[in-house]
Amino acid sequence: QVQLVQSGAEVKKPGASVKVSCKASGYTFSNYHIHWVRQAPGQGLEWVGIFKASGDVIFYAQKFQGRVTMTRDTSTSTVYMEVSSLASEDTAVYYCARELPDAYYLDYWGQGTLVTVSS
Amino acid sequence: QSALTQPASVSGSPGQSITISCTGTSSDVGRYNRVSWYQQHPGQAPKVMIYDVSNRPSGVTNRFSGSKSGNTASLTISGLQAEDEADYYCKSYTSSYTYVFGTGTKVTVV
Repeated sequence: QVQLVQSGAEVKKPGASVKVSCKASGYTFSNYHIHWVRQAPGQGLEWVGIFKASGDVIFYAQKFQGRVTMTRDTSTSTVYMEVSSLASEDTAVYYCARELPDAYYLDYWGQGTLVTVSS
Repeated sequence: QSALTQPASVSGSPGQSITISCTGTSSDVGRYNRVSWYQQHPGQAPKVMIYDVSNRPSGVTNRFSGSKSGNTASLTISGLQAEDEADYYCKSYTSSYTYVFGTGTKVTVV
């Protein structure tokens, strides 16, 4: 069965960086895009970016450009998202989710990773 | 990119129909038929209910339907049930090759 398993919760200080992983199984990893979406406590969903299946195209929401980096390790079927210069406003649950190319919707989601930024 | 605009809350009685609107711009909702809707129960990851404005993924009940007119997409839930109580988010592809979510709507079954 399709699974996206994310790394565990993190607590970071302001100004630090965090790297969250998303390990895929149950399908052909390189055939699907991976999106990252975040949700601050009690708030709505916010799209962060997409790592395309081709491996050479990545798009970030404008507000995250320069501060978020997505990478992929096809040998372990894992996508990573690193967020730098963390601030308290980055406290959120970060989700990875899968998209079949040209489908434009997210059919499987990871369980979410809580990142807490606190001094 | 600003979030798409949704009503903060919508409520209905069991068996009734409710509609949630999602208003964007000519650069997202109005330009592409790539609007999807997600249901999220507390503490859970979102689940897709509608894609490409009006298509239902396999396994989603036909009580959920979608439509679009101009810059506004809509999600209708007919025959409202207690299990439909959740948060709902629309999402659209944009002209910047990115995506944008709606502000979210809390559906209450009264």
